[in-house]
Amino acid sequence: EPEVTQTPSHQVTQMGQEVILRCVPISNHLYFYWYRQILGQKVEFLVSFYNNEISEKSEIFDDQFSVERPDGSNFTLKIRSTKLEDSAMYFCASSKREWPAYSGANVLTFGAGSRLTVL
Amino acid sequence: GENVEQHPSTLSVQEGDSAVIKCTYSDSASNYFPWYKQELGKRPQLIIDIRSNVGEKKDQRIAVTLNKTAKHFSLHITETQPEDSAVYFCAASSGGGADGLTFGKGTHLIIQP
Repeated sequence: EPEVTQTPSHQVTQMGQEVILRCVPISNHLYFYWYRQILGQKVEFLVSFYNNEISEKSEIFDDQFSVERPDGSNFTLKIRSTKLEDSAMYFCASSKREWPAYSGANVLTFGAGSRLTVL
Repeated sequence: GENVEQHPSTLSVQEGDSAVIKCTYSDSASNYFPWYKQELGKRPQLIIDIRSNVGEKKDQRIAVTLNKTAKHFSLHITETQPEDSAVYFCAASSGGGADGLTFGKGTHLIIQP
């Protein structure tokens, strides 16, 4: 079964450092997402990406965050200057969406996550 | 934006009994409602979903019901087994464009042997 793969599985960084989390979505998927889950809390939407641009972003996704699809396979999340509160599990997800659009299904497949620890 | 409320936060049931988890949503435009199961330290995994054009969907021991008028949906697990122990998240999406899912806060389901 196709999977969304994420690297690294765990990253420890110092406050103020830049971090890049990488994701390889499922190959025939068109929509890509980043979610965040602080330990013991709910999964929170950060950003969605389609056709090489951001489609939607949440209040969490401020100027410190950026996403990029540098080539045909990778989808990256960059945190420019990490803060202690950025410590969380970051999940990448992808979907191919079902058509017609009004069918309303947006079936996401999640990666295994990248745990970010900011010291 | 969408707001999803989920109850209870913790649910403990005896093995073999049924478990029910309830969610409400605020955005009447939402039309897709998936449920995810997350085991400790692992990724959320889709277990069942329902679209707004149906009121109920069943897959073996798992069922989901949707009441669009009241804006609530529920997950029902029958004949619970120890491997059902996990955190369950409901979510909602309007399904338009590349909308992200809005998740509830999760329910920690504990199956007592």
